[in-house]
Amino acid sequence: EAQVTQNPRYLITVTGKKLTVTCSQNMNHEYMSWYRQDPGLGLRQIYYSMNVEVTDKGDVPEGYKVSRKEKRNFPLILESPSPNQTSLYFCASTFSHRGPNTGELFFGEGSRLTVL
Amino acid sequence: AQKVTQAQTEISVVEKEDVTLDCVYETRDTTYYLFWYKQPPSGELVFLIRRNSFDEQNEISGRYSWNFQKSTSSFNFTITASQVVDSAVYFCALSDHAGKSTFGDGTTLTVKP
Repeated sequence: EAQVTQNPRYLITVTGKKLTVTCSQNMNHEYMSWYRQDPGLGLRQIYYSMNVEVTDKGDVPEGYKVSRKEKRNFPLILESPSPNQTSLYFCASTFSHRGPNTGELFFGEGSRLTVL
Repeated sequence: AQKVTQAQTEISVVEKEDVTLDCVYETRDTTYYLFWYKQPPSGELVFLIRRNSFDEQNEISGRYSWNFQKSTSSFNFTITASQVVDSAVYFCALSDHAGKSTFGDGTTLTVKP
């Protein structure tokens, strides 16, 4: 089954304790992206990756890191989480984000993170 | 910078009414892509439609229709004869060719029986 898988789905942690949210897709998609969703603010792009070893900042990259060593995986790293990073996080992928091949996003189920 | 505005935060209608969700966008690019996504109460995000900037043809899919007008930078979404199952948050999104995507804040649609 074609899917984008995020783990963990739910996490409660404390300020400053490093954590990683994994994202994996099995559709051989070039493009992957992370978003956070906060009430009333829609989805805001954190980082995106056009392909392996290529990553770029979205609108809200502060406090996050990403890496794209393999095509299928795009982990989101919070080196020192703070309470303002409490949010619902979505990973997404699409076949291509280039010109006329730009496709619709396939989303993971979301990861709800609480930082105390 | 690109921007998407969904001015309607919440809309409530009675079943079988028609409803239009507004979306206005800003971009300096001449080539861009517009999308609508649905987020039902269960939380997943579901793709509804994609439209290229160079294709202003309107589209109809069952009870759903989309009106793209470059002259007013709008990409509005109409649900005809709404149903309770249409209750969801709807997001309009804009993507450029370089990987950036911007979502509106969403419109929460409630369809009452």
